[in-house]
Amino acid sequence: NAGVTQTPKFQVLKTGQSMTLQCAQDMNHNSMYWYRQDPGMGLRLIYYSASEGTTDKGEVPNGYNVSRLNKREFSLRLESAAPSQTSVYFCASSEGGSFYGYTFGSGTRLTVV
Amino acid sequence: AQSVTQLDSQVPVFEEAPVELRCNYSSSVSVYLFWYVQYPNQGLQLLLKYLSGSTLVESINGFEAEFNKSQTSFHLRKPSVHISDTAEYFCAVSESNDYKLSFGAGTTVTVRA
Repeated sequence: NAGVTQTPKFQVLKTGQSMTLQCAQDMNHNSMYWYRQDPGMGLRLIYYSASEGTTDKGEVPNGYNVSRLNKREFSLRLESAAPSQTSVYFCASSEGGSFYGYTFGSGTRLTVV
Repeated sequence: AQSVTQLDSQVPVFEEAPVELRCNYSSSVSVYLFWYVQYPNQGLQLLLKYLSGSTLVESINGFEAEFNKSQTSFHLRKPSVHISDTAEYFCAVSESNDYKLSFGAGTTVTVRA
């Protein structure tokens, strides 16, 4: 099925561990995004990539890094996980800009203990 | 920078009754407005969007939203809800020609028989 694929779906980390969340889209979209969702706070933008080869910080980038590996893939890395990073992470893509709306993946539920 | 306020965090409603979800935004420039729906344990799906033109926009499953520039609002309505409309609804705003969407905190709609 066409769309945005995120892996893994669930993950438990210990404080200080590192991990990479993977995201891939097969719609030939130019732009990709990483959001985190926390209860009562909606979705907050972590990083985005307007096009292949570019990345920019969003609203809450501290503690995260990203890589736009190619047009299809956009990964999110936690170098040293903290309990405050416990959240549901969503990857999204769009043809280019907000005009087209976003297509979201099904999310990664991350718990840091 | 733009921001979004969803005025109700939870809306309980009986099946076949009408529902209205309120959304206000702030921005100093022209905007695009969106409503997304999130069913349990899923990613967000685009419900409808306002880009320009007619201020009343409709979705394929009976929802409609009206853009009111003077009141900076984009309220979502449905005249008769179904059990299957139980979900969390997010209002989002983007400044025209921008890549980033800013989301509200979400409104949980629970439809009871």
